[in-house]
Amino acid sequence: GAGVSQSPRYKVAKRGQDVALRCDPISGHVSLFWYQQALGQGPEFLTYFQNEAQLDKSGLPSDRFFAERPEGSVSTLKIQRTQQEDSAVYLCATREGWETQYFGPGTRLLVL
Amino acid sequence: AQKVTQAQTEISVVEKEDVTLDCVYETRDTTYYLFWYKQPPSGELVFLIRRNSFDEQNEISGRYSWNFQKSTSSFNFTITASQVVDSAVYFCALSEAGMETSGSRLTFGEGTQLTVNP
Repeated sequence: GAGVSQSPRYKVAKRGQDVALRCDPISGHVSLFWYQQALGQGPEFLTYFQNEAQLDKSGLPSDRFFAERPEGSVSTLKIQRTQQEDSAVYLCATREGWETQYFGPGTRLLVL
Repeated sequence: AQKVTQAQTEISVVEKEDVTLDCVYETRDTTYYLFWYKQPPSGELVFLIRRNSFDEQNEISGRYSWNFQKSTSSFNFTITASQVVDSAVYFCALSEAGMETSGSRLTFGEGTQLTVNP
């Protein structure tokens, strides 16, 4: 079946612009995670949803970062007033139960 | 707090050599899961294996094998007879089991860049 999809795959933003990154989960997957991966590093946790409920947002680096999953399916990660340090790959992962997280291809964000 | 350490930043081998990627973890939990993911140049993280903390049996899948030792908090990954297509960044990761609020988030190591030369 279809895997996790993310769009756009690449995004270039000028500093100060707002961006929105989309994640389409595997059908039926209840849990959804966002991770941030800086160049040359491992992914780091940002936030977690169970259905439409955002149960953990402790990894969001600032109040410029906001995530939502209003109908318990598609999720959007929004970054307001982007800064150069926001440049990274943003990965979405979904999970059916309590087992393995499956990752999407990521969105590579470059802030100029 | 959880921590995963992959001390090898880069490894370069010649095709057909065997190679072992090291992973050492720290956790206070008695129940946890360990994972290996592969990240090819395309960027997508590809799931390879999941082990729970109660199962120390080594596992073999084709050319891949994993050695889990709780006594040394290690979960090493060996590729036998490496191939050029194995070139990628490999990540070891750890999660708590059954944490409702955190969803059992993954804590990743820094990754090991494996290059297999023809």
